[in-house]
Formats: sequence, structure tokens, C-alpha cells
Amino acid sequence: GAVVSQHPSRVICKSGTSVKIECRSLDFQATTMFWYRQFPKQSLMLMATSNEGSKATYEQGVEKDKFLINHASLTLSTLTVTSAHPEDSSFYICSAYRRNQPQHFGDGTRLSIL
Amino acid sequence: EDQVTQSPEALRLQEGESSSLNCSYTVSGLRGLFWYRQDPGKGPEFLFTLYSAGEEKEKERLKATLTKKESFLHITAPKPEDSATYLCAVQASDDYKLSFGAGTTVTVRA
Repeated sequence: GAVVSQHPSRVICKSGTSVKIECRSLDFQATTMFWYRQFPKQSLMLMATSNEGSKATYEQGVEKDKFLINHASLTLSTLTVTSAHPEDSSFYICSAYRRNQPQHFGDGTRLSIL
Repeated sequence: EDQVTQSPEALRLQEGESSSLNCSYTVSGLRGLFWYRQDPGKGPEFLFTLYSAGEEKEKERLKATLTKKESFLHITAPKPEDSATYLCAVQASDDYKLSFGAGTTVTVRA
């Protein structure tokens, strides 16, 4: 199956720090990448949709200034959590998508803000 | 709004004890229904896509079926390595986003 690489896998940092998470589609060009957040024992909640070369579309209730998304190429999207606080601690997962194919997911980033 | 409900929340099975997971959905025109497997601390791994009622897909001990209102994931003679959370998601015909259910956590004891 398709391979999506997400880095880093785990981040622990102090409150107020900005954290960047990378998502790479390794073996296909993804027209769209998605960013999800997952709380313990809950399902995936879509945060934003990222299309190459255009601004991301954020779901209702997601602060675009807090969660900055850049989609510079068909194989790379980044999520930056700005001025992170303990309530931003979560499991963040990206996926890569192209038309008529299923979404393929990265292995997630566990973010812990102290 | 698309809705996906999975049941049961958790399922404990003895090795070899077959069972089924349910995914009920409402969507404004179904483009596809997806099953994923998620291991702890990992991202979801794609299993199946079903597109229309009556369709069935199989992979090893897993078989997915689809009706107009629900999908079932049948696990035949499960092994401990089948222990995972199984997620169901739907994609509407006018969108490319996925709406996920909360998942069924399956534990298979040896």
C-alpha cells in the first residue's frame, strides 16, 4: 500500500513553544492532504484540508492562526502548532489523498505540552 | 450531516471465535465506505473500500459487506494479531472528506 511518512513521532515541549509536524507522501503525488486530531479512545476528528499551492480549509472550531498548514508540494504538507499550550496535547495524524483512491495515513505525532 | 455509528465499542474474543462488527451510516449519497485498522499509537491502516450495496471484499480472515444502511466487518477464526481498533468511515458523493465512526476495539485472547 501507499506510504505516508509523518515526523516527528513524538514531541515533548514547554508551553509557548511552536511545533512543526511534517507529512510526506513517499510513493504517490497527493492532490490533497488532511490533518486530524485524535483524543484517547476517540475517533479521528478532521482539523483541516490542505491542497497543494492553495490555502488550507479549516473545519469549524479549528483556529487557523493556531494551527498553520503549509502544502508546498504534492508530496509534503506541514502543520505548525503555534504557541502550544497543554490543551493542545494530542495525537495528530495526517493523510494523503488522490482522486478515486483511499486516504493513506501517517503513523501520527504524539504531542505533549508541559 | 453524515453520521457513522459503530457497535459494539469493544469486543473480546477467544482465538478462533468468529464475530462481526457493525457500522451504521447516514450520508447524502455514498461515494464509498472505508474500513481501517488502527493499532495503538499508530495511524489507521487501510483495509477495504465498498462502493455499493451488495458488494463484499475479503482479506485473510476479514470480510466486509455493505447494505444501503450499514456495513459489517466479519472476523473469521480470529488470531491474537487481529487485536486492534477497527474504524469505519464514509465519503459522500459530493465531497472527498471522510467521516469516521468511533471504532470498535477488538481484543483476541490466545
